[in-house]
Amino acid sequence: QVTLKESGPALVKPTQTLTLTCSFSGFSLSTLGMRVSWVRQAPGRALEWLGRIDWDDDTFYSTSLKTRLTISRDTSKNQVVLTMTNMDPVDTATYYCARMGDPPVTKASEFFQDWGQGTLVTVSS
Amino acid sequence: DIQMTQSPSSVSASVGDRVTITCRASQGISTWLAWYQQKPGKAPKLLIYAASTLQSGVPSRFSGSGSGTDFTLTISSLQPEDFATYFCQQTDSFPITFGQGTRLEIK
Repeated sequence: QVTLKESGPALVKPTQTLTLTCSFSGFSLSTLGMRVSWVRQAPGRALEWLGRIDWDDDTFYSTSLKTRLTISRDTSKNQVVLTMTNMDPVDTATYYCARMGDPPVTKASEFFQDWGQGTLVTVSS
Repeated sequence: DIQMTQSPSSVSASVGDRVTITCRASQGISTWLAWYQQKPGKAPKLLIYAASTLQSGVPSRFSGSGSGTDFTLTISSLQPEDFATYFCQQTDSFPITFGQGTRLEIK
């Protein structure tokens, strides 16, 4: 059974750096084709993909946020870490980590198969 | 970036009704589209991928169709648990993008 859970601060101040951890079980990010993404959702708004890290440590980022984002992994701990710099009130959102579709890696599997419960991050002074 | 536009933004329907939600891509994406259901305070749930493939465990009253730029999600006979918000997502190319959502409400 695959599970994912996000953790991190509920409140950050403007200009601070946000660090969130996704702890997962039921799969290994070292396995060929495994990928984990971060997705966020501002209150009452649509889903927004932030970025992804792959089994081979390759990373992909949102066009609009790539200068502020870093996604890394700790394979031994089964964790993926999202770092977002220069936080602003517009970044207030629920942040989700999600496992992407089972390998092989094709356009047919670039969906979000398993999700964490999400963690609400509020940016306010 | 590929823009995904859903319509309507909200719809009211009754239990037993047939409902169709539309998603349009700003450029052709073949059949590389997924649909999700989200209930308040919960994470999204994958319903359909590759435009028409039902995810394991999803009731057969849900179906998807379309290719190129125009796609539909159909619920054949609404059940009480189906009242939620639905999102489409293109899986064709990076960056991954979602539609703005369609809220399905009880009439």
